[in-house]
Amino acid sequence: AQSVTQLDSQVPVFEEAPVELRCNYSSSVSVYLFWYVQYPNQGLQLLLKYLSGSTLVESINGFEAEFNKSQTSFHLRKPSVHISDTAEYFCAVLTGANNLFFGTGTRLTVIP
Amino acid sequence: KAGVTQTPRYLIKTRGQQVTLSCSPISGHRSVSWYQQTPGQGLQFLFEYFSETQRNKGNFPGRFSGRQFSNSRSEMNVSTLELGDSALYLCASSLLAGGDNEQFFGPGTRLTVL
Repeated sequence: AQSVTQLDSQVPVFEEAPVELRCNYSSSVSVYLFWYVQYPNQGLQLLLKYLSGSTLVESINGFEAEFNKSQTSFHLRKPSVHISDTAEYFCAVLTGANNLFFGTGTRLTVIP
Repeated sequence: KAGVTQTPRYLIKTRGQQVTLSCSPISGHRSVSWYQQTPGQGLQFLFEYFSETQRNKGNFPGRFSGRQFSNSRSEMNVSTLELGDSALYLCASSLLAGGDNEQFFGPGTRLTVL
């Protein structure tokens, strides 16, 4: 069975500081991983995904995530956060049944 | 292009009642998935419909059901509501079936069961 674990439920960070949101997965099949972001009072939006190829994937707003098979991780990073990055971030893995299994989410709060 | 719309946005019901939630996908999208989001359990997959057929189902009791119409609009029904059904219900549409296709989420319907 596939699952993901997001150990940090809340991450406060000062503006312009770097941030890492952790995600570990377990999977017995080919691994497809996703990060979704949910801004306050909105639905989820796809941030980036890893299906195959380069293990480092990037989003258009400066986030990146690296698929690490040996550590079974897909941590999300940004070198310098902005106030507008305040949101809840969800890591997800594609299950064998071809639906998404989401982690419990990490609430990122950027402090001015 | 309009995004995914969900109606109603907010709903208050009492235990034992039933409720129907509606989702209109992005034009041209044929797959609609439903998720339940709660503070304790996070996001949990309910079911996915593609071309009016349920192709995938999560681990929820039979009180939760859905359907999809020929125009790809989808409805979700919960019968005999329980307090624990209070949650944000999210609908997501994608062009094709399967979680590997980018899913576009609606703003959700917040259901409160009293």
